[in-house]
Amino acid sequence: ILNVEQSPQSLHVQEGDSTNFTCSFPSSNFYALHWYRWETAKSPEALFVMTLNGDEKKKGRISATLNTKEGYSYLYIKGSQPEDSATYLCAVNAGGTSYGKLTFGQGTILTVHP
Amino acid sequence: ETGVTQTPRHLVMGMTNKKSLKCEQHLGHNAMYWYKQSAKKPLELMFVYNFKEQTENNSVPSRFSPECPNSSHLFLHLHTLQPEDSALYLCASSQGHRGGGDTQYFGPGTRLTVL
Repeated sequence: ILNVEQSPQSLHVQEGDSTNFTCSFPSSNFYALHWYRWETAKSPEALFVMTLNGDEKKKGRISATLNTKEGYSYLYIKGSQPEDSATYLCAVNAGGTSYGKLTFGQGTILTVHP
Repeated sequence: ETGVTQTPRHLVMGMTNKKSLKCEQHLGHNAMYWYKQSAKKPLELMFVYNFKEQTENNSVPSRFSPECPNSSHLFLHLHTLQPEDSALYLCASSQGHRGGGDTQYFGPGTRLTVL
């Protein structure tokens, strides 16, 4: 069973703060890692897919890094805005016969206060 | 309509009812997925269809029965459910070429309550 852990569970920051959170997974069982943003009453929105060790992806003020050897990914948000408030999900695919199968973490709930 | 749509958005059913959830994707994708999110739990994969063939059944009880008549439509047929099946059911789709590296696009979900 693939275990994906996210920390912290929740985070409150002030507008303008930069923040980051972590996704951990078994390094021996990895093909791809996905980050999603899920706002209340909306669909989860894909942010990044990463597969290679050392991968870095960026989308506006949000960026992510991947370390497959030690089994973690960081998501960074620079200069948080209230509209960044959402649950951030990470999901891992172990490859092999687990075609398309994503195992999700519990998510990090981010609240950005004006 | 664009993206992934799901109907109904809310459903209340008794344990003896039979109902179906519908998902439609307008993205030209070949893979479709059903997920379940129960309170305080992570999103959990239920079924995967790739080019209309079921490729994953994540040990889901037989009271949940998926159907994929074509690459654009996915159904989840529900019968004799239990109150603990109350959850948010999400559908997703992806291109279907890169397996675990495919970005999955999600619908808004159906909030199911079983009385």
